[in-house]
Amino acid sequence: DQQVKQNSPSLSVQEGRISILNCDYTNSMFDYFLWYKKYPAEGPTFLISISSIKDKNEDGRFTVFLNKSAKHLSLHIVPSQPGDSAVYFCAASLDTNAGKSTFGDGTTLTVKP
Amino acid sequence: DAGVIQSPRHEVTEMGQEVTLRCKPISGHDYLFWYRQTMMRGLELLIYFNNNVPIDDSGMPEDRFSAKMPNASFSTLKIQPSEPRDSAVYFCASSLRGLPGQFFGPGTRLTVL
Repeated sequence: DQQVKQNSPSLSVQEGRISILNCDYTNSMFDYFLWYKKYPAEGPTFLISISSIKDKNEDGRFTVFLNKSAKHLSLHIVPSQPGDSAVYFCAASLDTNAGKSTFGDGTTLTVKP
Repeated sequence: DAGVIQSPRHEVTEMGQEVTLRCKPISGHDYLFWYRQTMMRGLELLIYFNNNVPIDDSGMPEDRFSAKMPNASFSTLKIQPSEPRDSAVYFCASSLRGLPGQFFGPGTRLTVL
């Protein structure tokens, strides 16, 4: 039973446009949601998080939206840059945003110059 | 801080041999996680520690796998005996309660022949 799903294995966008990465979850007890970025031959890097009491969190070009009723979150990158090309993982956590997380399978984003 | 340090970065061994992976978390962090990444199963949590105490080892695939954290600055993941299906990238991550996200090491690529 996969509790965190990223249904799009890949996404390709043009430089300067918006990238939207989606994530769905099944466990309504999840309290924190996180996005990580991973380059080849490196470990994932924490990008941005959101608590379940919020519906939006913004950090520079990155914004995460949370729709609890739909059990859905999304990461928006505006504007997209070629350096954003990476694998993006969605993760969900039960009791603290530093603790145990369940990861999705990842979406490979390619930003074309 | 140097970040999470893992050694070795690459390990090639023969089936039946013992393998020991090492991790030094970020100083001051109170959580430590071991993950395994494969094409088939994605990024899966094997075990995690809080304040050097194992909290959840339900992800450890079988008795051939064991993990220890003798002190706050060192952890090992041991596979004995190793099998070809153990070939994967193993990540160690650490985090601090109160701060979002986990900090991942660069990973150890294990190949069991």
